[in-house]
Amino acid sequence: NAGVTQTPKFHILKTGQSMTLQCAQDMNHGYLSWYRQDPGMGLRRIHYSVAAGITDKGEVPDGYNVSRSNTEDFPLRLESAAPSQTSVYFCASSGSQPQHFGDGTRLSIL
Amino acid sequence: AQSVTQLDSQVPVFEEAPVELRCNYSSSVSVYLFWYVQYPNQGLQLLLKYLSGSTLVKGINGFEAEFNKSQTSFHLRKPSVHISDTAEYLCAVTNTGGFKTIFGAGTRLFVKA
Repeated sequence: NAGVTQTPKFHILKTGQSMTLQCAQDMNHGYLSWYRQDPGMGLRRIHYSVAAGITDKGEVPDGYNVSRSNTEDFPLRLESAAPSQTSVYFCASSGSQPQHFGDGTRLSIL
Repeated sequence: AQSVTQLDSQVPVFEEAPVELRCNYSSSVSVYLFWYVQYPNQGLQLLLKYLSGSTLVKGINGFEAEFNKSQTSFHLRKPSVHISDTAEYLCAVTNTGGFKTIFGAGTRLFVKA
């Protein structure tokens, strides 16, 4: 039982390139969310989904897209990366409280 | 709207000393409260949670927290810290009617020998 799996763990992008961060959960949870973590700002929610086929914007959605075609997977896409998107990204799942977090993806955009 | 304030960005403390990490929140609805610990280059691990019931909550690694509704606080305490407690500690609140979670900015606990 892996919980929440995020890939890759690290990646470097050039400005303007696209990238998909992967998130997979094996707990049959309905709720999935993406956060970014920046120094001194805690975690901020980017997008979330309450079930397959349903997604919604979080508090900092600009520059990111998500999709949810099944219960397990919730990829986060950066269509045209910008240096301001350099961050650590966490995926979290929840069937009830609390949320379960993946180990994160460290993304640097040059 | 909800907000979470962690009053100290960094807390240095000597090994075996007690520590309190402060967390205050603001919300117009009922909330659940959480403390997470994050070790360097790792994900978030749940320390403890308050969902209902007793306002004194005990968690892993000897930590405890007390929910004070009148002061809208959820301070984290440990009577005697170890070097291995050096980490980032994040306070979070979630509205009881949904899944929206707001995190504080975090407190870096640094335990010195």
